[in-house]
Amino acid sequence: GAVVSQHPSWVICKSGTSVKIECRSLDFQATTMFWYRQFPKQSLMLMATSNEGSKATYEQGVEKDKFLINHASLTLSTLTVTSAHPEDSSFYICSAIPGRRAPYEQYFGPGTRLTVT
Amino acid sequence: AQSVTQLGSHVSVSEGALVLLRCNYSSSVPPYLFWYVQYPNQGLQLLLKYTTGATLVKGINGFEAEFKKSETSFHLTKPSAHMSDAAEYFCAVSGFQKLVFGTGTRLLVSP
Repeated sequence: GAVVSQHPSWVICKSGTSVKIECRSLDFQATTMFWYRQFPKQSLMLMATSNEGSKATYEQGVEKDKFLINHASLTLSTLTVTSAHPEDSSFYICSAIPGRRAPYEQYFGPGTRLTVT
Repeated sequence: AQSVTQLGSHVSVSEGALVLLRCNYSSSVPPYLFWYVQYPNQGLQLLLKYTTGATLVKGINGFEAEFKKSETSFHLTKPSAHMSDAAEYFCAVSGFQKLVFGTGTRLLVSP
């Protein structure tokens, strides 16, 4: 149980275009989802917290207009990287919390590798 | 605010040897502590967690960790390394509404 999927697993896009990454909780409802970014050989950096039906809460330094997060249902959150540039190339990982569990009860997706050319 | 420090970005062991990955934490409240493993190009898998109760926590794949409040540590150990243990390991502490990760330790296992 508690499986989180991401789609796509990898994507290559051209500079200036937008790309959408989906995060789904497959067998549970998630009121809260998180989006992380991971640079090569570095730790996970929390980008934003996404709550179903409300606006995402972004961490300091993360551009809200560049990284659009939508948590439209209890099983789906999307991250859209707008006007992508090579410096946005990274590994993006989402996580989800089942129901009303504590914030540390996160289940992680497999990640999406974004390469901007 | 919570934070974790992982000592050693790389740890090399021989197959069958003891694995010791170090993690020290800082927390203004009683911490919840975690170890995750990440294989290349994959997400994170929870190895074990400490919330309350017994300070020696056993996890999956033969790993265990001991919460030592006096030393503010939560080191990860495994008695005998296996080649399949080669991966990146992250220590994390639970803050208010989010997890805070350490910088990770890459475990290398040689035959």
